[in-house]
Amino acid sequence: EIVLTQSPGTLSLSPGERATLSCRASQSVNNHPIVWYQHKPGQPPRPLFSSTSSRATGIPGRFAASGSGTDFTLTISSLEPEDFAVYFCQHYSGSPPMYTFGQGTRLEIK
Amino acid sequence: QVQLRESGPGLVGPSGTLSLTCVVSGGSFTSPNWWSWVRQGPGKGLEWIGEFYHGGPTTDYNPSLKRRATISLDASKNHLSLNLTSVTAADSAVYYCTRIGGGGFDYWGQGIRVTVSS
Repeated sequence: EIVLTQSPGTLSLSPGERATLSCRASQSVNNHPIVWYQHKPGQPPRPLFSSTSSRATGIPGRFAASGSGTDFTLTISSLEPEDFAVYFCQHYSGSPPMYTFGQGTRLEIK
Repeated sequence: QVQLRESGPGLVGPSGTLSLTCVVSGGSFTSPNWWSWVRQGPGKGLEWIGEFYHGGPTTDYNPSLKRRATISLDASKNHLSLNLTSVTAADSAVYYCTRIGGGGFDYWGQGIRVTVSS
């Protein structure tokens, strides 16, 4: 089973700063790359990027996803107040079917 | 626009069965899509429970649940159900009904909080 490790656990930044969030897989996941979600209290997780690195509908261009193999990055170029949330990465393995989540990175206002 | 809504009891006794229902609007559980349940325990990360496809029907589950979970469809009511047996406090969580797409979960219900306690 693939394990996803996100870092840092908590990231404290100010609006306008650049955020870089990491998701590392325990083995290569090029067959089904990483999906990213934003999660705010009291709301369901919101998909940011699909496994094809396509930005989901309504996601602003300041969000970018990159990476391959075992190392993936979510970058927010200039933080807006509404971006402070928990971010999860997720992977799908097909044989047998299994969806795995990282433990999350909390992005908080400094 | 697909919308999902979970319902069910918010409190279940230990060793009992957790039973939740999901209703979809703007779509159908009999469409060529996979549907899934995901949960998040207090202070914990997200955990995939299982998935369902009507054209089979086909179900797959997270092995960590040790065969306690069952996902089924009542096509006449367009309800997707989750049953989780022999629950303990560790099963207390917010449970989400989701649609699978883009390698992950592209539509989510608002979630329902379930507490396991006597």
